[in-house]
Amino acid sequence: GENVEQHPSTLSVQEGDSAVIKCTYSDSASNYFPWYKQELGKGPQLIIDIRSNVGEKKDQRIAVTLNKTAKHFSLHITETQPEDSAVYFCAASILGSSYKLIFGSGTRLLVRP
Amino acid sequence: NAGVTQTPKFQVLKTGQSMTLQCAQDMNHEYMSWYRQDPGMGLRLIHYSVGAGITDQGEVPNGYNVSRSTTEDFPLRLLSAAPSQTSVYFCASSGKDSRETQYFGPGTRLLVL
Repeated sequence: GENVEQHPSTLSVQEGDSAVIKCTYSDSASNYFPWYKQELGKGPQLIIDIRSNVGEKKDQRIAVTLNKTAKHFSLHITETQPEDSAVYFCAASILGSSYKLIFGSGTRLLVRP
Repeated sequence: NAGVTQTPKFQVLKTGQSMTLQCAQDMNHEYMSWYRQDPGMGLRLIHYSVGAGITDQGEVPNGYNVSRSTTEDFPLRLLSAAPSQTSVYFCASSGKDSRETQYFGPGTRLLVL
């Protein structure tokens, strides 16, 4: 089955700097890769996703890149702000079956004011 | 729209006790899933449902039962609680109209003594 590995487990950056979180997946059949943000005491919330027919996707300060050959994808947050502090999860699944997400282990991001 | 609701928010059980974690959604979503979240392990899929009357196992189904008698509700049953089931449980829903986005509930924190 699918296995998703995520690094780093914790990341501390200065406000205004960029943050990068990386994930690798094992199943070449996976073609949908979402990123979820989880704030303390809340459920995860989708922030951006990418499908395997696209190499990069941006949404304001957030971008995701995908390398299908190497089976890895990354989340990039630019101009970080204190409210970006949270736990971020990558995940993988097959399009049309996102109710069966396989998650990475999470990255705790701390943005220092 | 309340979205995805879960009850209770917090529960303490003794080993061997049974209980049901409730999950309901008011978005008319076809798909619903249960995940557990443990420190350093991300979210792992327990069971999922693609419609009323249809359920299937995820990554970690042992010790849990589910049923889906209506579109709105997807309860998770622990038949005989074990300390290894101490975790935070999240319910999620999605539909053909949500473009793969999983909507998560606020979670139930379960402690088994």
